[in-house]
Amino acid sequence: GAGVSQSPSNKVTEKGKDVELRCDPISGHTALYWYRQRLGQGLEFLIYFQGNSAPDKSGLPSDRFSAERTGESVSTLTIQRTQQEDSAVYLCASSRPNRLAGGPNSYNEQFFGPGTRLTVL
Amino acid sequence: GENVEQHPSTLSVQEGDSAVIKCTYSDSASNYFPWYKQELGKGPQLIIDIRSNVGEKKDQRIAVTLNKTAKHFSLHITETQPEDSAVYFCAALEDSNYQLIWGAGTKLIIKP
Repeated sequence: GAGVSQSPSNKVTEKGKDVELRCDPISGHTALYWYRQRLGQGLEFLIYFQGNSAPDKSGLPSDRFSAERTGESVSTLTIQRTQQEDSAVYLCASSRPNRLAGGPNSYNEQFFGPGTRLTVL
Repeated sequence: GENVEQHPSTLSVQEGDSAVIKCTYSDSASNYFPWYKQELGKGPQLIIDIRSNVGEKKDQRIAVTLNKTAKHFSLHITETQPEDSAVYFCAALEDSNYQLIWGAGTKLIIKP
């Protein structure tokens, strides 16, 4: 079946412009995650959705970053007034719902999309 | 909160030899530890995971060991092949909010 898809695959923008990144999760996956990966670095958690609510926004680096999700499907990550330090690959992942406090057997695998490479000039 | 450290940052091994990547974590309540492989230009993909109720798990050429007392876990790849070249990430599931805390990654290079 279809995996997680992200668009665009590449985005080049000028400093100060707004950008919108899109993620289409696997059908039936109610959990959705956004990560940022700078060149040669690890994964930096940005935000987590369960359905269309975001119980954890703790990773958003500034108020220029926001995300929303329509129902249990598409999510968009918006970066306003982009800065050069926003240049990175933005990864989206989805998973089946996790049962909090359900013990180690209740956590489900995250499936990642190919990412959007954002370059801010 | 949970903190995960991963070593080494780069590992170069001869094809056919074994590779070992190690991670340590800080929160003794963590109980799920996955390993992801990221090939160039792609998103990470789960290759193996271990839960706190076992000490070792194997899947063909890859294995993961967990030492809960010492709070470390390791990825072992035997008989390495060129297609094993990638960046490998370890992670630990934070018990308080059910979020994965990721290691910084290890770039594995397989020399022909």
